[in-house]
Amino acid sequence: QVTLKESGPVLVKPTETLTLTCTVSGFSLSHPRVGVNWIRQAPGKALEWLGYTFSTDEKSYSASLKNRLTISKDTSNNQVVLRMTNMDPADTATYFCARSPTSYCSTGVCSPYYFDYWGRGVLVTVSS
Amino acid sequence: QSVLTQPAFVSGSPGQSITISCTGTSTDVGYNLVSWYQQRPGEVPKLIIYEVVKRPSGVSSRFSGSKSGNTALLTISGLQAEDEADYYCFSFAARSTLEVFGGGTKLTVL
Repeated sequence: QVTLKESGPVLVKPTETLTLTCTVSGFSLSHPRVGVNWIRQAPGKALEWLGYTFSTDEKSYSASLKNRLTISKDTSNNQVVLRMTNMDPADTATYFCARSPTSYCSTGVCSPYYFDYWGRGVLVTVSS
Repeated sequence: QSVLTQPAFVSGSPGQSITISCTGTSTDVGYNLVSWYQQRPGEVPKLIIYEVVKRPSGVSSRFSGSKSGNTALLTISGLQAEDEADYYCFSFAARSTLEVFGGGTKLTVL
């Protein structure tokens, strides 16, 4: 069956870089249009889509965070890695990875449009 | 602030039907690629509707989706206590922002 699992530090200091890993099973990261997304949720707040990787090595990021985000993929190890630089207490949130089984592309922009499987999430606290 | 607008709170009594709206524009909701998620307290979001009207296997038929213009709608019929949760819409967006989750709606079953 399809599973995703996030791993990484639960506490980071302000200005540090966060690195989270999503390990997947039950599907192939090289499948065309299947994507792995990063989504976060600050305590008591709404979901926020951060970005995703799909197809061979395509990536797309939230416009508001793209300068701080890097998503990479290690197909051989079934892992997707999120790096977020210059962490701030406002980045304290539960970080989820989620699968998008397909993407839609229009005018050069590709985006997922639904997420069918989610990891349990990891709560990352940013504090000195 | 989300580009998709949802009411912050909705409530209903057991057995009733409620509808949650998700209002966007022709460059997001207009694409008919809207999905809905249920998130019970302390749980992971769960996909309940995709492509506006489609229901994943295993999701109760009490959940249905529709659209009117640039507003997507989630209707829950025969409201049950277990439906009490936060509900989020999400849409493809054909522009650079890509911040396309709605702000969420808290459903209270009275």
